[in-house]
Amino acid sequence: GENVEQHPSTLSVQEGDSAVIKCTYSDSASNYFPWYKQELGKRPQLIIDIRSNVGEKKDQRIAVTLNKTAKHFSLHITETQPEDSAVYFCAATPWRGSTLGRLYFGRGTQLTVWP
Amino acid sequence: EAGVTQSPTHLIKTRGQQVTLRCSPISGHTSVYWYQQALGLGLQFLLWYDEGEERNRGNFPPRFSGRQFPNYSSELNVNALELEDSALYLCASSLAGRGYGYTFGSGTRLTVV
Repeated sequence: GENVEQHPSTLSVQEGDSAVIKCTYSDSASNYFPWYKQELGKRPQLIIDIRSNVGEKKDQRIAVTLNKTAKHFSLHITETQPEDSAVYFCAATPWRGSTLGRLYFGRGTQLTVWP
Repeated sequence: EAGVTQSPTHLIKTRGQQVTLRCSPISGHTSVYWYQQALGLGLQFLLWYDEGEERNRGNFPPRFSGRQFPNYSSELNVNALELEDSALYLCASSLAGRGYGYTFGSGTRLTVV
């Protein structure tokens, strides 16, 4: 099955700086890549996603890039704010055959934004 | 619009006992997914239900099972609880069989002692 690796496991930045979280995946058939934000004690929330026919997607201060050849995708957060502090999870799925119904998640990145 | 709701929010059980967790999907969503979030391990896929049928399951032993009801709500059952079953159990829902835009509930925190 698919294997997703996520780096770094922890990231500390100063407010206003940019943060980048990187993920790699193993199955070249993966075609959907969501990112989730999970604040302490709360549910994971979808913040942005990208499909394999797109190389980049932006939503205000958040962007995701996808490199299908290298099988990696990244989350970029600009002008970070303390409320961006949370655990961020990347995921990937080929959504076919035995992988139907499941997302494969990375282990998460704890982002801390210092005021 | 109400989100995905899960009950109970917290649960403490003794090793060897059985537990049932419940999930109500967003109205109009027919697919329900269950994930286990153990400390430091990310989210591990447990089960997918759609239209009352189990469509896929992850690499968990048979003592993890569940079902989906005609109103699309779902329950997850775990028999013969082990200490390592302690985790946050998350339910998500989506439109029929679409992985795009999973919406998660807030989870049930299970502690096995």
